[in-house]
Amino acid sequence: GIQVEQSPPDLILQEGANSTLRCNFSDSVNNLQWFHQNPWGQLINLFYIPSGTKQNGRLSATTVATERYSLLYISSSQTTDSGVYFCAVISNSGYALNFGKGTSLLVTP
Amino acid sequence: NAGVTQTPKFQVLKTGQSMTLQCAQDMNHEYMSWYRQDPGMGLRLIHYSVGAGITDQGEVPNGYNVSRSTTEDFPLRLLSAAPSQTSVYFCASSYSTLLEQFFGPGTRLTVL
Repeated sequence: GIQVEQSPPDLILQEGANSTLRCNFSDSVNNLQWFHQNPWGQLINLFYIPSGTKQNGRLSATTVATERYSLLYISSSQTTDSGVYFCAVISNSGYALNFGKGTSLLVTP
Repeated sequence: NAGVTQTPKFQVLKTGQSMTLQCAQDMNHEYMSWYRQDPGMGLRLIHYSVGAGITDQGEVPNGYNVSRSTTEDFPLRLLSAAPSQTSVYFCASSYSTLLEQFFGPGTRLTVL
């Protein structure tokens, strides 16, 4: 099946810093989503972005489908950004989201 | 809209007991699925359904049964719980696999 690799696995930032999270995938995809799992365990949809660029406030994402990667940018980070960020994809021949292992982000005051 | 709802939020079982995890959505989504999340890992697919009356297995189906009699509901049954099924279970739904999927709040299950 399709492989999804996220980097870095762990990240510690001071409040106000910017960061870039990366997601590499091993096959062509027709669905790519970024999620934030907050400290209470909820999965929050950030972006549905099989290709192109989207922005939502301090967060933005870019997917370059031809090169099989996606980037999530977090600017001016806040302590509420802490949690685990997951990238999940569905390959062109697949039927369900395949998740990476996530990037664990801690934003300190 | 309530979105995707799951009950119960927490459950403790003894080995060998059975139970049903409930999942419902009010968005008229055709596609529904169940995932489990173990510590330090992403989510893995258990079973999925592309519409009422149609279900299929995912990556880790052993020990779980599903049925889909209505568009709204997709229950997950554990017939004989085992400690290896201790996990957090998430239900998801979408209009299709090509479109954005939405997750419920999860059920935290412990099997002793």
